[in-house]
Amino acid sequence: AQKITQTQPGMFVQEKEAVTLDCTYDTSDPSYGLFWYKQPSSGEMIFLIYQGSYDQQNATEGRYSLNFQKARKSANLVISASQLGDSAMYFCAMREGRGGSYIPTFGRGTSLIVHP
Amino acid sequence: DTGVSQDPRHKITKRGQNVTFRCDPISEHNRLYWYRQTLGQGPEFLTYFQNEAQLEKSRLLSDRFSAERPKGSFSTLEIQRTEQGDSAMYLCASSRTSAGGRETQYFGPGTRLLVL
Repeated sequence: AQKITQTQPGMFVQEKEAVTLDCTYDTSDPSYGLFWYKQPSSGEMIFLIYQGSYDQQNATEGRYSLNFQKARKSANLVISASQLGDSAMYFCAMREGRGGSYIPTFGRGTSLIVHP
Repeated sequence: DTGVSQDPRHKITKRGQNVTFRCDPISEHNRLYWYRQTLGQGPEFLTYFQNEAQLEKSRLLSDRFSAERPKGSFSTLEIQRTEQGDSAMYLCASSRTSAGGRETQYFGPGTRLLVL
């Protein structure tokens, strides 16, 4: 079974609008962390936001927020006020704690295109 | 922080040749990760180090792949007897262990390998 599922291969959004990128995950480990990364065409993975499984509040970082619904095992990324520079691939990732050995798993990504 | 650096950025080789990639992590980061990313996929975990110790290497794709981090600073990833299927982007990331598991990985620009 896929540990991280990103069901949207591609998304389009108009500049200045908000967009939600979906991510669902599967784990039986009570301790885990969820991450979102952005990968522009240059190839470098850029860290955006982190949510811990025990965090009580949804994470926010500037224009990025994470809609964390633990019971539904979803961790959707919300980008507010989209900019042209937000066009990129976006990856959701999970790291489970297994006795101190952290092995991250990434989803297949969502391609976001922001148009004027 | 000067960021994670990787060398070379691009490598073209002939099938059967050996290649070695280098990764220099962010200073003071004790963990270092190697990933492979093929077209249309998210990064696939290969191995990671905590200081000099290689704590997880079962995900290395075959015995042709090996990694070292001899002094707990930079790391090398070697692929012996390259095959066309090894063509991919090889990403390195580093992180610092932190309390509560809020460890964030920072990625380098990657090394793009093409095996002819």
